[in-house]
Amino acid sequence: NAGVTQTPKFRVLKTGQSMTLLCAQDMNHEYMYWYRQDPGMGLRLIHYSVGEGTTAKGEVPDGYNVSRLKKQNFLLGLESAAPSQTSVYFCASTPGQGTSPLHFGNGTRLTVT
Amino acid sequence: AQSVSQHNHHVILSEAASLELGCNYSYGGTVNLFWYVQYPGQHLQLLLKYFSGDPLVKGIKGFEAEFIKSKFSFNLRKPSVQWSDTAEYFCAVTLRGNNRLAFGKGNQVVVIP
Repeated sequence: NAGVTQTPKFRVLKTGQSMTLLCAQDMNHEYMYWYRQDPGMGLRLIHYSVGEGTTAKGEVPDGYNVSRLKKQNFLLGLESAAPSQTSVYFCASTPGQGTSPLHFGNGTRLTVT
Repeated sequence: AQSVSQHNHHVILSEAASLELGCNYSYGGTVNLFWYVQYPGQHLQLLLKYFSGDPLVKGIKGFEAEFIKSKFSFNLRKPSVQWSDTAEYFCAVTLRGNNRLAFGKGNQVVVIP
């Protein structure tokens, strides 16, 4: 039972490069989220999805795009990376009720030089 | 704007000391409240949660939290900390019926043996 799996674990990009972070969950959860974690800032919501084929903007969506083509996968894309996007990215999922806690992946540490 | 506030971002204490971390939120409706813990190098894990009923909730590893509606607070406590409690602690809030979880900026707790 893998839970929430994020790939890759680490990545270094040059400014202007693009990449996609993959999040996969095997718990049949409806809701999936992408957060970024920065020192002293806590976790900030980038985008989220309430079901297959749906996406919505969170608190800090600029510079990112997402897709939820399959229920189990939630992709986060950076089209043109910037140093300000250096962060640790966490994916999370939940069945869909507000009382259900989030299940987090192990994170992706991204550095943009 | 709706927000979650955690004070005293860095806390250093000795083993066996008592710990209390404050959490205040500014949401006006009925809320669901959570505390998450992030041990060094790991992802966030649920510590405890409150939805309704007894405002004093007990979580894992001897932690408890008290919901005080009149003060919009959900403070976390542990009577006697251990070195293994060194971690970052995040308070999180969601409005009832809404699955967008908002996090505070976290408390970095260091327990000295």
